[in-house]
Amino acid sequence: QKEVEQNSGPLSVPEGAIASLNCTYSDRGSQSFFWYRQYSGKSPELIMSIYSNGDKEDGRFTAQLNKASQYVSLLIRDSQPSDSATYLCAAHNNDMRFGAGTRLTVKP
Amino acid sequence: EAGVTQSPTHLIKTRGQQATLRCSPISGHTSVYWYQQALGLGLQFLLWYDEGEERNRGNFPPRFSGRQFPNYSSELNVNALELEDSALYLCASGHNTDTQYFGPGTRLTVL
Repeated sequence: QKEVEQNSGPLSVPEGAIASLNCTYSDRGSQSFFWYRQYSGKSPELIMSIYSNGDKEDGRFTAQLNKASQYVSLLIRDSQPSDSATYLCAAHNNDMRFGAGTRLTVKP
Repeated sequence: EAGVTQSPTHLIKTRGQQATLRCSPISGHTSVYWYQQALGLGLQFLLWYDEGEERNRGNFPPRFSGRQFPNYSSELNVNALELEDSALYLCASGHNTDTQYFGPGTRLTVL
């Protein structure tokens, strides 16, 4: 069983729609969670971090954490073609474990 | 403020050779993390250095090693290169938090 699991996609949404990205993790000791965006051929770029149950909003991005369900999600509102990338979910407990990523395509 | 830097950008080696990759963290960051990202695959944790010490190691053979210098820069050494070592090697830095910031990476090609 992978420690951090994501749907590999591709997830395709029309421009202006809400994109919903999901992630589950197996290590209950994980205390902090991150979403990174990675454009093809580039390095991951930090979008959001979340540490407590509930929602955390930053601009068009909302991260949601449910530790009881071991579930993390990222919502992207008003999706833009420039949001097209692979989104990596990560969980930290002594070291960072990354999911394989979900590829998002936003169609104009 | 300058971000994480890595050198070289690209590196081409042949099987059996050694590769050395370098990373300079964000100023003030004491931790350096190394990851391997093979084509089409996720990030695999390699090594974590903090304050000059190796703090944790991923599930990689001993021919993957590294060190951290007094100025917190780091190098990753890969000995006896194998074809499957071809990947993007990413360095990230952090300080007193879990948050990691990535450099642009070194693409290693083993022929």
